Amino acid sequence: AQKITQTQPGMFVQEKEAVTLDCTYDTSDPSYGLFWYKQPSSGEMIFLIYQGSYDQQNATEGRYSLNFQKARKSANLVISASQLGDSAMYFCAMRRINPNTGNQFYFGTGTSLTVIP
Amino acid sequence: KAGVTQTPRYLIKTRGQQVTLSCSPISGHRSVSWYQQTPGQGLQFLFEYFSETQRNKGNFPGRFSGRQFSNSRSEMNVSTLELGDSALYLCASSPPQGQAYEQYFGPGTRLTVT
Repeated sequence: AQKITQTQPGMFVQEKEAVTLDCTYDTSDPSYGLFWYKQPSSGEMIFLIYQGSYDQQNATEGRYSLNFQKARKSANLVISASQLGDSAMYFCAMRRINPNTGNQFYFGTGTSLTVIP
Repeated sequence: KAGVTQTPRYLIKTRGQQVTLSCSPISGHRSVSWYQQTPGQGLQFLFEYFSETQRNKGNFPGRFSGRQFSNSRSEMNVSTLELGDSALYLCASSPPQGQAYEQYFGPGTRLTVT
């Protein structure tokens, strides 16, 4: 069974500092995709970053980077230079990459990040 | 390009009633997935539709159903509502091809069952 674990229900970070949000996953599939989404209080899920299981380099998107350690099955999100607008829930998700099974995503329970001025 | 839209945004129903939620995907996206989000259970996958066919289904009772139209718009229906169905229902669409197959979410429909 596929499983995503986020062990930090809440995190605090000082503005302009970096923060790491943890995510571990469990799958027996050889091919999969890992995603991070941000959900502000408005409710909409915002796609942040993607890492494919066969990607050799860690993904980066602006201030977001994904620390992918395949052997440890971890996909931690690093946010650099935190801003007040980064305060939100953050979800780690995994997608099985199989053209026959379609798009089924598995989400973690989320981490609530609060940026302190 | 317009994003994923969901209607209505807020809904209040009473137990035993039924409800239909609508989702319009991003233009060109053919895959639409539905999720239920509650504080206790988190985000749970309901089902996915692709080209008018249900391709995946989560572990929800038969009271939850959906369909997709030829223009890729999707509806989900919940019959005989229960208090536990109160949740944020999120719809997401995916592009037809691409390595990431990321999902783009709509703003959600917040359903309250009283």
